[in-house]
Amino acid sequence: EAGVAQSPRYKIIEKRQSVAFWCNPISGHATLYWYQQILGQGPKLLIQFQNNGVVDDSQLPKDRFSAERLKGVDSTLKIQPAKLEDSAVYLCASSLDQDRYNSPLHFGNGTRLTVT
Amino acid sequence: GESVGLHLPTLSVQEGDNSIINCAYSNSASDYFIWYKQESGKGPQFIIDIRSNMDKRQGQRVTVLLNKTVKHLSLQIAATQPGDSAVYFCAENRGGSEKLVFGKGTKLTVNP
Repeated sequence: EAGVAQSPRYKIIEKRQSVAFWCNPISGHATLYWYQQILGQGPKLLIQFQNNGVVDDSQLPKDRFSAERLKGVDSTLKIQPAKLEDSAVYLCASSLDQDRYNSPLHFGNGTRLTVT
Repeated sequence: GESVGLHLPTLSVQEGDNSIINCAYSNSASDYFIWYKQESGKGPQFIIDIRSNMDKRQGQRVTVLLNKTVKHLSLQIAATQPGDSAVYFCAENRGGSEKLVFGKGTKLTVNP
């Protein structure tokens, strides 16, 4: 099966600019996640969607970050305006459903964001 | 100055040796644990999982051990190969919540 697709692969922007990341999950996967991974750390969940509804966005900095999953398939994550501390890899993951025991997360290769 | 977060715990082993990667978790309510492997430039890849009603689970060349008394998890890799070189993360699911929380990771280097 095709994996989780993410684009762009790399992005360099200046602080206060805006940026958007795109994710196409594995076909048929109802649950989609966005994680932020700062260099040298484990991924941190930003937002979780079940189909096109938000399940958990408690760790999303909503003053600057937004995400949507129109039609319950593709998703975009936006940062506006970006700060230096947003430099990280943004990982998208998907799973078949919310059954944590039988629906492992499949991760894309991420978008590496550098804010200067 | 440098960030403490940049200094991943590291483990260096010779090809063919067994590797043991350790992880301590903090929440006694966590009841599901997963090990992920992350190669450079790639996303984390599922290796093996274990539920809290078990203390050992085996996969192909990998074994996960869970000690709930001391809140400790370990990943054992048998006959380590150069392709096993990566950063390994343990992740815990905190009882009842769907949120997966990742640990800091251990960098494994396999020397030929």
